[in-house]
Amino acid sequence: EVQLVESGGGLVKPGGSLRLSCAASGFTFSSYSMTWVRQAPGKGLEWVSFISGSSSYIYYADSLRGRVTISRDNVKNSLYLQMNSLRAEDTAIYYCARVIHCGGDCLDYWGQGTLVTVSS
Amino acid sequence: DIQLTQSPSFLSASVGDRVTITCRASQGMSSYLAWYQQKPGKVPKLLIYAASTLQSGVPSRFSGSGSGTEFTLTISSLQPEDFATYYCQQLNSYPLTFGGGTKVEIK
Repeated sequence: EVQLVESGGGLVKPGGSLRLSCAASGFTFSSYSMTWVRQAPGKGLEWVSFISGSSSYIYYADSLRGRVTISRDNVKNSLYLQMNSLRAEDTAIYYCARVIHCGGDCLDYWGQGTLVTVSS
Repeated sequence: DIQLTQSPSFLSASVGDRVTITCRASQGMSSYLAWYQQKPGKVPKLLIYAASTLQSGVPSRFSGSGSGTEFTLTISSLQPEDFATYYCQQLNSYPLTFGGGTKVEIK
């Protein structure tokens, strides 16, 4: 069974940093690209970042570029998102999701999410 | 970046109703579109990809159509478990983008 479990969220002050983690199991992690998607309270879905299976390809949303770094450890079956210079508007649930090729890139499994709250 | 506009943003319907949600793209993208369902407090679930292909396990009352810049998600006979928010997502290029969502509520 595919499982994705995020951790690392919490309350942080504006300008602070957090490192989110996503532990994957139930599939060959290194064979799949992964992505982060966030959802502000009561709002819609916003794509954050993408990383290919070998980390050869990495993409970021413009709203976060320069402040976040995506990475993965295929030995530990883990995905990470380092977030710096956090702002109030970064408050959201952050989901990791597995990417499958469906003609383009679809997200077939999602973790339960980890809540990041940026507030003084 | 490709912008996706969903309509309506909210709809009220009864069990058994036929429901149609539209997603319009700011530029043509062939059939590179997916639909997701998100119930309150739950994670999004992939329903349809490539505009019209049902993800495994998704009931056949869900269908998708369209290409280019206009796409639709149809629920042929709304069931109680279908009350949720639906999002379209373009698969054409990065950055991936989602529509603003359509909340389907019970009339």
